[in-house]
Amino acid sequence: EVQLVESGGGLVQPGRSLRLSCAASGFTFDDYAMHWVRQAPGKGLEWVSGISWNSGSIGYADSVKGRFTISRDNAKNSLFLQMNSLRTEDTALYYCAKGTGYRSSWFDPWGQGTLVTVSS
Amino acid sequence: QSALTQPASVSGSPGQSITISCTGTSSDVGSYNLVSWYQQHPGKAPKVMIYEGSKRPSGVSNRFSGSKSGNTASLTISGLQAEDEADYYCCSYAGISLYVFGTGTKVTVL
Repeated sequence: EVQLVESGGGLVQPGRSLRLSCAASGFTFDDYAMHWVRQAPGKGLEWVSGISWNSGSIGYADSVKGRFTISRDNAKNSLFLQMNSLRTEDTALYYCAKGTGYRSSWFDPWGQGTLVTVSS
Repeated sequence: QSALTQPASVSGSPGQSITISCTGTSSDVGSYNLVSWYQQHPGKAPKVMIYEGSKRPSGVSNRFSGSKSGNTASLTISGLQAEDEADYYCCSYAGISLYVFGTGTKVTVL
């Protein structure tokens, strides 16, 4: 069974940093692109960042570019999101998702998410 | 990277058909046949219902179908059922490793 488990969320003050992790199992991790998608409380989905299977292609939403860094460790079947200079508007449930299909254009499955709260 | 535009809410009676639109631009929806649709029930992670515009993953009911015309993609749910009540989001590839989601639509079964 394909499984994605996020961790690393919590309460952090504005301007500080946090590192999220996503542990993958049940599939050949280094065959697939991976993504982070977030959802602010009561709001819609927002794509945050994606990384190709070999880390050769990376993309970021404008809202996080320059502050967040996505990375992966294929040997450990893990995906990461380093979040620096956090803002209150970064408060959200952060999901990791496996990219599937042509240009990894659809996301399946998704983890259950890890909650990040940015507040003083 | 502006969010794709979806109606905030759509409703229908059991057995009816409803259609949710997803309007983007020539840089995303209009340029690629790579729109996916996700269903999200309260407190749950999203689930893919349609990918690459009109394809259904294994296990998804054939009551769900997708299409595209120009810069607008659409999701149609036929034979509406109570279990279809959820939030729905479209997502499009936008080039150079970029993706954009829609604003989301709440579907209510009357």
